Amino acid sequence: EPEVTQTPSHQVTQMGQEVILRCVPISNHLYFYWYRQILGQKVEFLVSFYNNEISEKSEIFDDQFSVERPDGSNFTLKIRSTKLEDSAMYFCASSVSRPYNSPLHFGNGTRLTVT
Amino acid sequence: AQSVTQLGSHVSVSEGALVLLRCNYSSSVPPYLFWYVQYPNQGLQLLLKYTSAATLVKGINGFEAEFKKSETSFHLTKPSAHMSDAAEYFCAVTSGNTPLVFGKGTRLSVIA
Repeated sequence: EPEVTQTPSHQVTQMGQEVILRCVPISNHLYFYWYRQILGQKVEFLVSFYNNEISEKSEIFDDQFSVERPDGSNFTLKIRSTKLEDSAMYFCASSVSRPYNSPLHFGNGTRLTVT
Repeated sequence: AQSVTQLGSHVSVSEGALVLLRCNYSSSVPPYLFWYVQYPNQGLQLLLKYTSAATLVKGINGFEAEFKKSETSFHLTKPSAHMSDAAEYFCAVTSGNTPLVFGKGTRLSVIA
């Protein structure tokens, strides 16, 4: 069964550094998402992306975050200047269609540790 | 705005016993409700979803959930727990036009 793949599985970075988290969504999916989960807290929506532009974003997704689909397969989340509070598990997801009641297919996540 | 509350961050059951994971939601419009499961070192996998067709929803691995509007609940059950059911379970809600809102999750442990 097709799956969403995320790399790396674990990323350690120093505060202030830029990180790029990578995702390969399922090939025929058109909608892409990033969620994150800080340890012990809820899974939180960050951003949704469709047709090469952001369709929706949360308050968490401020100017230090950006997303990109640089080619036909990858979907990336960039954090420009990481903070300690950015430490979390970041999940990429994709779906065939909107609205949001279409099931999301999630990757295994990237654990980001900011020191 | 929608929200979800999962009662109990950790539930422990014996193998063969009933599994009951609680989820209460808040929504000003008819909700779409989901249960996702996360096994260790894996992503979130859809267990089942409610989309107003039937109040009792059957999912994968023998799980089911019942939508009760009067109680604003969508509890997840399984008649007989198996060791392989040990995982983290997440309830989520959406109006259909807004991103999924997740609960904090409930870790299920199954004791032999």
